[in-house]
Amino acid sequence: DAGVIQSPRHEVTEMGQEVTLRCKPISGHNSLFWYRQTMMRGLELLIYFNNNVPIDDSGMPEDRFSAKMPNASFSTLKIQPSEPRDSAVYFCASSLDRNIQYFGAGTRLSVL
Amino acid sequence: SQQGEEDPQALSIQEGENATMNCSYKTSINNLQWYRQNSGRGLVHLILIRSNEREKHSGRLRVTLDTSKKSSSLLITASRAADTASYFCAHGGSNYKLTFGKGTLLTVNP
Repeated sequence: DAGVIQSPRHEVTEMGQEVTLRCKPISGHNSLFWYRQTMMRGLELLIYFNNNVPIDDSGMPEDRFSAKMPNASFSTLKIQPSEPRDSAVYFCASSLDRNIQYFGAGTRLSVL
Repeated sequence: SQQGEEDPQALSIQEGENATMNCSYKTSINNLQWYRQNSGRGLVHLILIRSNEREKHSGRLRVTLDTSKKSSSLLITASRAADTASYFCAHGGSNYKLTFGKGTLLTVNP
């Protein structure tokens, strides 16, 4: 199994631009999580999907952030418009039946 | 905040020594997990201990859990340079959510 796959690995963009991060979870997993990691705040849960349905998006910082999971093998996290304070490493993780989470390698986002 | 806390924030030891990291949390839990993160990589699950367990072993790892004190410890025995990484505890309740601490940065010097 290839594990959780995220793309791109690095993204550099200018303030105001739209950013889309992508995630392919492990086949057969029914839960998907998006996290953001910064030095100041550590690892924060942004949103959680179960069986492709968003269950808890209370960690999404603002309306500029949105996430979708159109099918069991793909999810996106979109930031529009992006701001410098969105610079962070964004992780996607998947799990089966809400136990151990398997993380992707992350997307390092820099908003200039 | 429901976030757990790891202690110490950073730990530097020599190869062959044991490393102990501690974690405290504030809520009731279903399980507690430890993850490792190498620089520039994603988190990797190491070990899970359930709330009705007190100790668990996996290779060179030993985890203890004291629910009365709301604390856990991770012991890595006979450390190696390759163990250099950040270590995070994460506690889970009755729902899906894992709450991660800010981690302990372990440096093992060869």
